[in-house]
Amino acid sequence: SAVISQKPSRDICQRGTSLTIQCQVDSQVTMMFWYRQQPGQSLTLIATANQGSEATYESGFVIDKFPISRPNLTFSTLTVSNMSPEDSSIYLCSVNRAQETQYFGPGTRLLVL
Amino acid sequence: ILNVEQSPQSLHVQEGDSTNFTCSFPSSNFYALHWYRWETAKSPEALFVMTLNGDEKKKGRISATLNTKEGYSYLYIKGSQPEDSATYLCALNMDSNYQLIWGAGTKLIIKP
Repeated sequence: SAVISQKPSRDICQRGTSLTIQCQVDSQVTMMFWYRQQPGQSLTLIATANQGSEATYESGFVIDKFPISRPNLTFSTLTVSNMSPEDSSIYLCSVNRAQETQYFGPGTRLLVL
Repeated sequence: ILNVEQSPQSLHVQEGDSTNFTCSFPSSNFYALHWYRWETAKSPEALFVMTLNGDEKKKGRISATLNTKEGYSYLYIKGSQPEDSATYLCALNMDSNYQLIWGAGTKLIIKP
């Protein structure tokens, strides 16, 4: 398993501002993943963060809106830029282990007013 | 577009009763099926990963079955307890990479 922490656990933000979410893992991992879950929706993969290279974004997500940093093998950040109410979601980071099982952080609950 | 469907969307169950819910997925290109439990204010927790048709996994009062030919998995909870209240998510691997396709979850509420 893996111990993953996220900061902040929740936030309320004004539209047009940006929020950076931090994810810390207790061991070195190659890939870290960023998800969001909008109300009533499935978990949706935003991007995969690889250390030493640019993040890989899924369809519908762009770097300008969700810039990601991966400075080392235990840490990553996701920024939600120029927020609108539609960005209100739970944002989760995860890592994978054996048999592709993913282990998740506790999530960041974001409300944009 | 690949869809993983979960039903029902939500479920209220009396404490002590048993219950089950469904995850449906496209049966082509199957690699693995995952079940997770997500309690409020906690991380999603991996319950099971199943790869073979006919697989049956058990963890305490929770068990799961898999039918890859018809594209469904059932999660069963025997003798529901308040601590079982959570959203149960299933996710599909179509190959050996990390990509998971998630269902929207079944929200289970146990009534005392």
